[in-house]
Formats: sequence, structure tokens, C-alpha cells
Amino acid sequence: GAGVSQSPSNKVTEKGKDVELRCDPISGHTALYWYRQSLGQGLEFLIYFQGNSAPDKSGLPSDRFSAERTGGSVSTLTIQRTQQEDSAVYLCASSFSSGRGETQYFGPGTRLLVL
Amino acid sequence: DQQVKQNSPSLSVQEGRISILNCDYTNSMFDYFLWYKKYPAEGPTFLISISSIKDKNEDGRFTVFLNKSAKHLSLHIVPSQPGDSAVYFCAALTTGRRALTFGSGTRLQVQP
Repeated sequence: GAGVSQSPSNKVTEKGKDVELRCDPISGHTALYWYRQSLGQGLEFLIYFQGNSAPDKSGLPSDRFSAERTGGSVSTLTIQRTQQEDSAVYLCASSFSSGRGETQYFGPGTRLLVL
Repeated sequence: DQQVKQNSPSLSVQEGRISILNCDYTNSMFDYFLWYKKYPAEGPTFLISISSIKDKNEDGRFTVFLNKSAKHLSLHIVPSQPGDSAVYFCAALTTGRRALTFGSGTRLQVQP
């Protein structure tokens, strides 16, 4: 079966532009997470969606970051007015439920470079 | 303030020997711990986990040990194989929170 897919795989943009990153979770997975990995750092939590509940946005670094999950499936992470410090690999993960034993399955990531 | 720390950025071992990857944490509210493996250009993949009520969990060549009093866990790989060469991330969960807190990773290289 298909895993988590993300697009684009690479994105180069100019400082100040907006970018949209897409995540297609595994079919049937109700929980979806966004993380990012900056150079030399571990993965940093950004936002979490579970079913129809209000998302946990506690990891978003600024109000330039937002995310949506439409129809309980596809999610889009939007970064407005990008800055050079936004350069990172953005990883999406999904899990069947939000139970703590549930494995989070990660996509390959979108590598974002802000010039 | 890093709550999960992997102080060794890299480790090199010979094929067939034991690999020991270490992880320390500072948040005493963490009660579930996981190890993920990551190959280049791929997302992390789940390897093994342990609940704080246990001190050891084993799955084939992989064993995770948890020392709660020391806030330390380790991943043992025996015997190490060249295909184990990857970056290994330690991660932790607190009760009621579903987002993982990750360490910065340790790059393991297994020499043939």
C-alpha cells in the first residue's frame, strides 16, 4: 500500500514569498503531524490534527505558519513571507489513531530552501 | 532547551559487533520512548519503543534499555550489519500529548 507522500520534494524560494507544502497521509489514518528538521537538529513538532478535533498548533514557530487538513485527509502547510531561517526539511507523518502505541509513519519530506 | 539529547553525533562500528546508541532526557513527564531510523532522502521509520513501566524491550537484533532514575535510554544492535548504517533518532512522549519530542540524532556507520 502507499505510504505518506509529500510534494514538492524540493522547493527553492525567495525571501518574502509564500510557500505551500502538501501531505497525503496513509488512507484511513486519522492523525496527521507536521514536523521540521533544521540543519543539524532533531525533528521539531509543528502541528497535529486528529479527526475533527481542533488541531494542536502549539509547535508553530510564528503566525506566518498555518496548516489545514481538508476532509480529514490531505493537509497543506503554508508559510507566509518566508525567511531564511525557515529553510529546513518539512516532514509529515500519519498514524491510524492518536493512541500512544500507534506508530507514526513519515513521508520523505519537503526540503525547503529560502534564498 | 533540548529535552531529549543525543550527545554523540556519530558512531562507527565493525560489522558483527555491538552498536550502542545513547539518549538522555530531562523531562520527567516523558513516559514512552521510541527509536526511529532514517536513511538519506527518506522519512524516519519506527524501530522499537519502550514504556516507562519497563526497563527493557527486545525485538530481534534490537534491544532498548531504559534507566528512569538516570533519565537515560540506549539502543543496542547486535550483531550490527552494514544495512544498519543510518541516522538514529531517540524520541519521547508525555501522557496526553501525541507529538513526539526528538533528539538530534546519531549517525551510525557499520563498516564491512
